[in-house]
Amino acid sequence: DTAVSQTPKYLVTQMGNDKSIKCEQNLGHDTMYWYKQDSKKFLKIMFSYNNKELIINETVPNRFSPKSPDKAHLNLHINSLELGDSAVYFCASSQGQHGYTFGSGTRLTVV
Amino acid sequence: GENVEQHPSTLSVQEGDSAVIKCTYSDSASNYFPWYKQELGKGPQLIIDIRSNVGEKKDQRIAVTLNKTAKHFSLHITETQPEDSAVYFCAASYAGGGADGLTFGKGTHLIIQP
Repeated sequence: DTAVSQTPKYLVTQMGNDKSIKCEQNLGHDTMYWYKQDSKKFLKIMFSYNNKELIINETVPNRFSPKSPDKAHLNLHINSLELGDSAVYFCASSQGQHGYTFGSGTRLTVV
Repeated sequence: GENVEQHPSTLSVQEGDSAVIKCTYSDSASNYFPWYKQELGKGPQLIIDIRSNVGEKKDQRIAVTLNKTAKHFSLHITETQPEDSAVYFCAASYAGGGADGLTFGKGTHLIIQP
């Protein structure tokens, strides 16, 4: 019954690898997001996506790319992982401005 | 773009006392202000929100106030309990018609002393 679920919960990988994080929401929301939380707990939006547009935070490297096969899924692909990519990544969804709901996070560690 | 400042970064209060966390925002077009609670190892959870057409909102021990003129909003928790210990985030958003996300403050670590 989890509203926003993301997998895996933990991901440890070597520098240079390519990895994906999956996200699914069962709330019927029209917009999905990816946020990055760094070691100081600062939450920053990376992408927002609905069926009309993809908005990319200009500070996000192009090694990061969202892929949405349908309204209920927004996966995050990361190419050529770097040490600085280590963080907790949160998926979220909303219906317009209403009901922002976050997943439980994916802790990515790049070694 | 929007910038949200949050203070204090750490707040320690005695159990039963009140706690107040303050935020300011920069974009006068922002019209939605949620507050999130994040416990260790979990995602942020919405605890209360307020829209720009309202000055105050209460939900049991939690209240939020908004001053649009001064562009600041505050979270008030009364009769604090040990389970209130967590990191609290304020955020701001503008429903501009696109897929807008939330701009977060840097968080307040609330510690409830028994």
